[in-house]
Amino acid sequence: EVQLVESGGVVVQPGGSLRLSCAASGFTFDDYTMHWVRQAPGKGLEWVSLISWDGGSTYYADSVKGRFTISRDNSKNSLYLQMNSLRTEDTALYYCAKDGPPGVTQGYFQHWGQGTLVTVSS
Amino acid sequence: AIWMTQSPSLLSASTGDRVTISCRMSQGISSYLAWYQQKPGKAPELLIYAASTLQSGVPSRFSGSGSGTDFTLTISCLQSEDFATYYCQQYYSFPYTFGQGTKLEIK
Repeated sequence: EVQLVESGGVVVQPGGSLRLSCAASGFTFDDYTMHWVRQAPGKGLEWVSLISWDGGSTYYADSVKGRFTISRDNSKNSLYLQMNSLRTEDTALYYCAKDGPPGVTQGYFQHWGQGTLVTVSS
Repeated sequence: AIWMTQSPSLLSASTGDRVTISCRMSQGISSYLAWYQQKPGKAPELLIYAASTLQSGVPSRFSGSGSGTDFTLTISCLQSEDFATYYCQQYYSFPYTFGQGTKLEIK
């Protein structure tokens, strides 16, 4: 069974930094592209970033480009999101999500974690 | 970025009804479209990808159609567990984008 467990969400002040983690199990982690998707309280879904199976390709939403960095450690079956220069509008539940097929990036989200809440507030 | 117009934003229906949700793109995306269901307090779940391919384990009362700019999610016979919020998502080009969501509520 695929399991994705996010952690690291806390309350942080504007301008602060935070690193989110996602622990993956139940599948061959280094075969799959991985994503971060977020959802502000009471709002819709927003794709944040993706990283290819080997870490060689990364993409970001314009809203986080230059502030957030996605990475992965395939030896630890883990995905990360380093978040710098945080803004109040970054407040959201952050989901880790696994892409569709192995070995290629499709861009849809076949499995999701339960999310970790990041609150940016003074 | 590709803009998506999802409609309606709120849909009231009864168990046993057939309902459709629409998603219109600002430009053609071939069949690079997915649909998700989200229940309160839960993560979204994938229903359909490639516009019409049913994700494994999803009941056959869910179906998707369309290509290019106009897409539809149909639920053929509503069950109580289907009352939730539904999102479309395009993965044709970056940034990937979602529709605004359709809340399906009990009439």
